Amino acid sequence: DAKTTQPTSMDCAEGRAANLPCNHSTISGNEYVYWYRQIHSQGPQYIIHGLKNNETNEMASLIITEDRKSSTLILPHATLRDTAVYYCIVRVATSRAGGTSYGKLTFGQGTILTVHP
Amino acid sequence: NAGVTQTPKFQVLKTGQSMTLQCAQDMNHEYMSWYRQDPGMGLRLIHYSVGAGITDQGEVPNGYNVSRSTTEDFPLRLLSAAPSQTSVYFCASSSHINEQYFGPGTRLTVT
Repeated sequence: DAKTTQPTSMDCAEGRAANLPCNHSTISGNEYVYWYRQIHSQGPQYIIHGLKNNETNEMASLIITEDRKSSTLILPHATLRDTAVYYCIVRVATSRAGGTSYGKLTFGQGTILTVHP
Repeated sequence: NAGVTQTPKFQVLKTGQSMTLQCAQDMNHEYMSWYRQDPGMGLRLIHYSVGAGITDQGEVPNGYNVSRSTTEDFPLRLLSAAPSQTSVYFCASSSHINEQYFGPGTRLTVT
């Protein structure tokens, strides 16, 4: 599994963009980068994922460097409700009989993002 | 859809007792998994299943058993509870390589 490195904590002002970095220098060519977040006491919530192109959805944008060794999750207009632990995960494919692949998610320590007024 | 449901929400066990944590999903997902989360730490994979009748061990499987007799259900059994198993347990499911949906968690205390 490719390991990921994230800062332990970050702060962001409400209404500003939150940029959360992640290093995954040993990522393999067929591994995806996933981002999840966990708001206090709740189950993790999927945010976004990508392989090598930049991705955007209603929650966030994901910027992956050309060499794929790092990525940045961008929350364009952070709110107080975005305060959470953010996990950057590289997916390990698990094969089953029949050729269908599924991914196990290996969670690291994550980044504690605090959005303040 | 109810999504992923877990029961019970809270449980207190004495050392040596056994119990089953229930997990069910109504999204017809093939992939299901169990994680535990200890205070201040990330989630660790206990067991997972890629379909009915197929299970495999994750990172921390010792002390836990699973079975997958139906697509919908994936129970986690603690054979003989130990204080080290005090944790929050999350069940998750997914249909493909994309996002996993997590349940609300079961908070287990072993005294």
